Amino acid sequence: DAGVTQSPTHLIKTRGQQVTLRCSPKSGHDTVSWYQQALGQGPQFIFQYYEEEERQRGNFPDRFSGHQFPNYSSELNVNALLLGDSALYLCASSGRDSSRETQYFGPGTRLLVL
Amino acid sequence: AQKITQTQPGMFVQEKEAVTLDCTYDTSDQSYGLFWYKQPSSGEMIFLIYQGSYDEQNATEGRYSLNFQKARKSANLVISASQLGDSAMYFCAMRRPISSGSARQLTFGSGTQLTVLP
Repeated sequence: DAGVTQSPTHLIKTRGQQVTLRCSPKSGHDTVSWYQQALGQGPQFIFQYYEEEERQRGNFPDRFSGHQFPNYSSELNVNALLLGDSALYLCASSGRDSSRETQYFGPGTRLLVL
Repeated sequence: AQKITQTQPGMFVQEKEAVTLDCTYDTSDQSYGLFWYKQPSSGEMIFLIYQGSYDEQNATEGRYSLNFQKARKSANLVISASQLGDSAMYFCAMRRPISSGSARQLTFGSGTQLTVLP
């Protein structure tokens, strides 16, 4: 049973560029959440997708956008990259039929903006 | 708003000893979920244990147990018989009630770096 997968594992971009990160949820899960984790901090919620729609959004600017596909996989897009966007980006999946809705995380994508 | 506080930036424990990692939370919800995750240096967040606010018994998962004191709003993680592989960052997190509709995101604390000494 494959867990949550993310690609790429590492990425280097320059300021002003755009980036797309990808996530495949754990088998049987239909909800994908994205988090940003700056160095030395806890993860911060970006947004959550369910039924191909953004259901909840954290305190992040519109430069951060996403998409969920019919197979439940998801993309996170960040436009006009800033140095402060350098972080570990974590994708988590969960199933809404579970009373706990435990979120299971992927290995993350480390983004460095120069 | 929900808030998670982890007051121990770093902890040391001798191999085979038990260790308690502190977590306090603030919420106005009556129903909520509490989670602990382990994050090794590789970066992946590994789910350890869950406690529902209405669960009457403290959660246990193998060597992990959760000391849940609802009145004090604390949810401390206890790791028994520490192993070298337990060295990692540990995060406490909270989720609002499922019945709240859209608010399903996790709110994390700042984490505790645990180092197990041989």
